[in-house]
Amino acid sequence: DQQVKQNSPSLSVQEGRISILNCDYTNSMFDYFLWYKKYPAEGPTFLISISSIKDKNEDGRFTVFLNKSAKHLSLHIVPSQPGDSAVYFCALSTGNEKLTFGTGTRLTIIP
Amino acid sequence: KAGVTQTPRYLIKTRGQQVTLSCSPISGHRSVSWYQQTPGQGLQFLFEYFSETQRNKGNFPGRFSGRQFSNSRSEMNVSTLELGDSALYLCASSLLGGQGYGYTFGSGTRLTVV
Repeated sequence: DQQVKQNSPSLSVQEGRISILNCDYTNSMFDYFLWYKKYPAEGPTFLISISSIKDKNEDGRFTVFLNKSAKHLSLHIVPSQPGDSAVYFCALSTGNEKLTFGTGTRLTIIP
Repeated sequence: KAGVTQTPRYLIKTRGQQVTLSCSPISGHRSVSWYQQTPGQGLQFLFEYFSETQRNKGNFPGRFSGRQFSNSRSEMNVSTLELGDSALYLCASSLLGGQGYGYTFGSGTRLTVV
């Protein structure tokens, strides 16, 4: 029962261009949405989040969009930088301590 | 300030054995969560502790258990190890927990079962 899906296992983007990472979910009870970034041999690092009462949240180069009717979440990174190369996970919460993670998308920024 | 510390970093165990993993949260954090990461499965929630009480539990068999001490340090135990338990086990701490906000993850313990 995969409630959260990241359908692109990998993505390559030219440096300076926009990176768009996607996440789809099935459970309409999710009300808090987060993105984490993970480098090899390190734990995930929190990037940005959005609650279900909003449809957009911006923090520097990172913007998260939420489309509740489509049950779709996306992360935009612009401009992409080499240091952005990592695995990105979306993580969803129904308002308690449990996070349900997607399977991750490996982003590679090409210099 | 010090981050979340997990020990050991790497562990090799034999099928049928048991293992205990340790997590020291950020000072002042009272919520500790555990996750299992395997290839293709993403991170799966094991359980969360707050003030020594388990508040939430994921869909794992009873072989997986945990506890939290009065200083908020947490341990996770897996008994009767199976090959499929090979994974990266991550611990995350938060001041109060809830809504998945503000969690800081440790670097994990890589468990290999042979």
